[in-house]
Amino acid sequence: QQQVKQSPQSLIVQKGGISIINCAYENTAFDYFPWYQQFPGKGPALLIAIRPDVSEKKEGRFTISFNKSAKQFSLHIMDSQPGDSATYFCAASRGSTLGRLYFGRGTQLTVWP
Amino acid sequence: DADVTQTPRNRITKTGKRIMLECSQTKGHDRMYWYRQDPGLGLRLIYYSFDVKDINKGEISDGYSVSRQAQAKFSLSLESAIPNQTALYFCATSDSSSFSYNEQFFGPGTRLTVL
Repeated sequence: QQQVKQSPQSLIVQKGGISIINCAYENTAFDYFPWYQQFPGKGPALLIAIRPDVSEKKEGRFTISFNKSAKQFSLHIMDSQPGDSATYFCAASRGSTLGRLYFGRGTQLTVWP
Repeated sequence: DADVTQTPRNRITKTGKRIMLECSQTKGHDRMYWYRQDPGLGLRLIYYSFDVKDINKGEISDGYSVSRQAQAKFSLSLESAIPNQTALYFCATSDSSSFSYNEQFFGPGTRLTVL
């Protein structure tokens, strides 16, 4: 059973547009929600993360929106750039497992110039 | 991330062969993980180790075994490789003593092909 469901599987956005990737979870014990970014030929790397005590976290052009009641969170990339083209993974973990992450299946983002 | 290294980076092997993938880290982290990545399936956890004496199965451990030789080294073995184990394999680390203990640092990956 997949713990974190991610959509869409692929996304094509024009340069300057907004990219939005969505994730949903069922386990209310989850208390940490990161997004990882992976470029071709590289391992994933942490992009931004949020805990459920806030509804939004922004770092530069990247924003996580979190809806605790709906058990959903999303990544928004403003002013998308060709350099943002990568695979994005959402994930979740709970404190009792201290560090084990449950990943979504990933979204391949392509930003056209 | 140069602090987490994986060897080999690419490997082609035949069905039935035993193969070992190695992971080393210089980050001083206590926790290490092995994932496999398949297109459309994301990252799936094979095994994880919270310290040298602690080994845990992940969601897809069948057909795999691991060894934590030291805090810095975590090896993944395929006892008898089969074609559906063809995938990209990643090692990752995290630090339980850090405030950001959830953050995992990934190696560059090993592309394994089983013919």
